[in-house]
Amino acid sequence: EVQLLQSGGGFVQPGGSLRLSCAASGFTFTTYAMTWVRQAPGKGLEWVSAITSSGGRTYYADSVKGRFTISRDNSKNTLYLQMNSLRAEDTAIYYCANRQNDWYFDLWGRGTLVTVSS
Amino acid sequence: DIQMTQSPSSVSASVGDRVTITCRASQGISSWLAWYQQKPGKAPKLLIYAASFLESGVPSRFSGSGSGTDFTLTISSLQPEDFATYYCQQANSFPITFGQGTRLEIK
Repeated sequence: EVQLLQSGGGFVQPGGSLRLSCAASGFTFTTYAMTWVRQAPGKGLEWVSAITSSGGRTYYADSVKGRFTISRDNSKNTLYLQMNSLRAEDTAIYYCANRQNDWYFDLWGRGTLVTVSS
Repeated sequence: DIQMTQSPSSVSASVGDRVTITCRASQGISSWLAWYQQKPGKAPKLLIYAASFLESGVPSRFSGSGSGTDFTLTISSLQPEDFATYYCQQANSFPITFGQGTRLEIK
């Protein structure tokens, strides 16, 4: 089955760190660029970060640049998002998503909730 | 950054109605535009890509048009399962940006 299985969300205090994972199955992971999109409670979609299929290029929203790091392990078919210096405004459901050959997103994970609060 | 502005922010309609949602980009994005549908508690679903191409499995009552800065999503005859929130997204350049969403409610 083609799917993205997410893990790693949870509750963290401001200034803390968290790492999200997104395990891919059912398709050739190494040929797909990958993306993280988040959605704050009751709000719209916000693109967070993207990485090319080889991992050679990464892209970030200004709101997370310098604090978040996207990476992938193609040997494990897994995408990561390392989140440091977390802020209350980072509270959101985080989705991993992909599509081959362009930057639209036709496969989505189920999302993982990150809550940043003291 | 390219700003995406959707209108209206919300719309009420009845089953069988024709509904049009617009999305305007702050600069030209050619046809690098997608439309998504999101229902509460679910991940977004891709409906339309490259402005007018229907994603596989999406009903033909959904259609998209436009290029440059102005785009539309049309639902020709609303069905009960279409009541949801709709987002546009530009894929022309980084940072990728989404519209603020249009909530489609039952009248």
